[in-house]
Amino acid sequence: EPEVTQTPSHQVTQMGQEVILRCVPISNHLYFYWYRQILGQKVEFLVSFYNNEISEKSEIFDDQFSVERPDGSNFTLKIRSTKLEDSAMYFCASSAGQGRNTGELFFGEGSRLTVL
Amino acid sequence: DQQVKQNSPSLSVQEGRISILNCDYTNSMFDYFLWYKKYPAEGPTFLISISSIKDKNEDGRFTVFLNKSAKHLSLHIVPSQPGDSAVYFCAATLGNQGGKLIFGQGTELSVKP
Repeated sequence: EPEVTQTPSHQVTQMGQEVILRCVPISNHLYFYWYRQILGQKVEFLVSFYNNEISEKSEIFDDQFSVERPDGSNFTLKIRSTKLEDSAMYFCASSAGQGRNTGELFFGEGSRLTVL
Repeated sequence: DQQVKQNSPSLSVQEGRISILNCDYTNSMFDYFLWYKKYPAEGPTFLISISSIKDKNEDGRFTVFLNKSAKHLSLHIVPSQPGDSAVYFCAATLGNQGGKLIFGQGTELSVKP
C-alpha cells in the first residue's frame, strides 16, 4: 500500500538552528501539506502546496517557515531559526484532490522536533 | 480557534458494544467532514468522511451521521473491537480550502475485552 514517508523520525536541535524535515508523498498525489501537533494540543494546519507553490498557509506559517519540492519526489519543510515553541510533531500529508474530491489526506508517521 | 470541538477527551466501551464519538462545529460554511484515527507514534489515518449534502455515510462497522441544523456529527462504531482503541479526530474543511483540515481535540477510545 502506498504511504507517505518522513525523515527524520526525531530531531533534537538547539534554539536558533535551522531544521529541514523531509517527506516523500504518495507518488501520484498532487497536493502536499504540513501539519503539526504540539504535545497535548490539536493537530494544526500549517501549509498546503500545489503546482509548485503555496496554495494556503496558516498564521503559524510565518517567515521562519518555508516549503520546497526540490525534485519530483521530495517535499521539505524548513524552519530557519528554531524557537522553543516549535517543538512539536510535524506531519506531512498528501492527497490526490481537494475538498469533496479529496477522498482523504494520507499522513506520514510524523517527525518529532525537540528544540532545546 | 474552536471551530471544531470534541468535548469528550476519552470514552471507554466494552467489546461488542456501540461506540459513539461526538463532534460539534461552529462554522456553517464547512461542507466536508472527516474522521481520522490515530495510534501512538503514528500519523492520523483516514476512516470515513461525509459531505454536507448528506446526513449519513456508512462503511462497514463505521457510520458517520451529520446534523447540519445542530452543527453536529457523530461516528458510530458497531460492534467495537479492542483494535479500535485509538484517538479519534473529527475534522472539517471548506470546499475551496480542501486540504486545510480543521481538527477537533480528539477523543481517546478504549475498547475493553
